[in-house]
Amino acid sequence: GENVEQHPSTLSVQEGDSAVIKCTYSDSASNYFPWYKQELGKRPQLIIDIRSNVGEKKDQRIAVTLNKTAKHFSLHITETQPEDSAVYFCAALTGGTSYGKLTFGQGTILTVHP
Amino acid sequence: NAGVMQNPRHLVRRRGQEARLRCSPMKGHSHVYWYRQLPEEGLKFMVYLQKENIIDESGMPKERFSAEFPKEGPSILRIQQVVRGDSAAYFCASSSSSGSRYEQFFGPGTRLTVL
Repeated sequence: GENVEQHPSTLSVQEGDSAVIKCTYSDSASNYFPWYKQELGKRPQLIIDIRSNVGEKKDQRIAVTLNKTAKHFSLHITETQPEDSAVYFCAALTGGTSYGKLTFGQGTILTVHP
Repeated sequence: NAGVMQNPRHLVRRRGQEARLRCSPMKGHSHVYWYRQLPEEGLKFMVYLQKENIIDESGMPKERFSAEFPKEGPSILRIQQVVRGDSAAYFCASSSSSGSRYEQFFGPGTRLTVL
């Protein structure tokens, strides 16, 4: 089955700095990679996703890159703000299915210091 | 535009009791997923259902756990004879059958505590 590894487990940055979170996956048939943000006690919220037919996608301060050959993808947050502090999860769609069975990484606790 | 609804938000059960968790998908969504999140861990897929059908239950423990999504009403995750290890947050997510069918929207979760 699919296995997703996420690093780092914790990340601390100063406000205004950039933050990068990396994930690797094992199933070469995976073709959809979402990122979720989860604040303490709240639901996971989709912040950006990428499909395997593109290498990069950007939405304001957030970008995701995908390297299918190396089977890794990364989340980039620029100009970080204290409200970006949360747990971030990457996920990969299990290959060979027509539905959204996701395998999640272990999560990264991002802390942005004012 | 109501999002995914789950109830109860918090549930306390004693060992051996039954827990019933409910999930109402977003309007127009016919696909429901259940995930379990243990403290300080990521989400683990449990089961995927469409109306009146269990499509993939590969993440469900073989015993004590069951799920349904009837023609009318919410999806229900049922845990019989709960044990302390069942304590976790249980999230459901829904997606549409058209457009971006992979995109999942999560409910607020049910936090189950087993005493």
